[in-house]
Amino acid sequence: AQSVTQPDIHITVSEGASLELRCNYSYGATPYLFWYVQSPGQGLQLLLKYFSGDTLVQGIKGFEAEFKRSQSSFNLRKPSVHWSDAAEYFCAVTREYGNKLVFGAGTILRVKS
Amino acid sequence: GAGVSQSPSNKVTEKGKDVELRCDPISGHTALYWYRQSLGQGLEFLIYFQGNSAPDKSGLPSDRFSAERTGGSVSTLTIQRTQQEDSAVYLCASSTGPGPRYNEQFFGPGTRLTVL
Repeated sequence: AQSVTQPDIHITVSEGASLELRCNYSYGATPYLFWYVQSPGQGLQLLLKYFSGDTLVQGIKGFEAEFKRSQSSFNLRKPSVHWSDAAEYFCAVTREYGNKLVFGAGTILRVKS
Repeated sequence: GAGVSQSPSNKVTEKGKDVELRCDPISGHTALYWYRQSLGQGLEFLIYFQGNSAPDKSGLPSDRFSAERTGGSVSTLTIQRTQQEDSAVYLCASSTGPGPRYNEQFFGPGTRLTVL
């Protein structure tokens, strides 16, 4: 069965500092991986996705993520965090023709000025 | 264009009552999904509709939960005899078709259900 682990429930970073949110997945076949962001009272918005090819993927809002098969990881990064990035971030996985997204527990990002 | 809309945005009900939650997908999207977001279980898949195919109900937690999609558009999630553990945010998503490669799931704002 597919599963996703986000080890950090909360992370606090200073505005302008770099950010890395961790995601580890468990899946027997080639995973399709996603990062979503959820602002308070909002639905989920897709930041980026990985299917195949280049293991470093670029997303919206200046985010990027790197797929590392050997570590079963898909960590999200941003070089300089803005106060507006404060939100909850979810990593998700599905299979090639899958339609169910399996989500991690989420990481709440706080940005301090 | 309009995104996925859900109604009501908030619903408070008493234990044992039935509730209906509505989802209006993006026009032209053939795939529709329901997820539940709760403190104890996180974000979990409930049900998936694609066109006229039989829905994938594998995520429904009990037979008190059911969903239908009329005319390939609007969907209603019904919870019968609600229990306190049903309290959660119910999210709906839609996409242009099946499979994740070319079909991003767009999420609505959710319905927050509170069962007293």
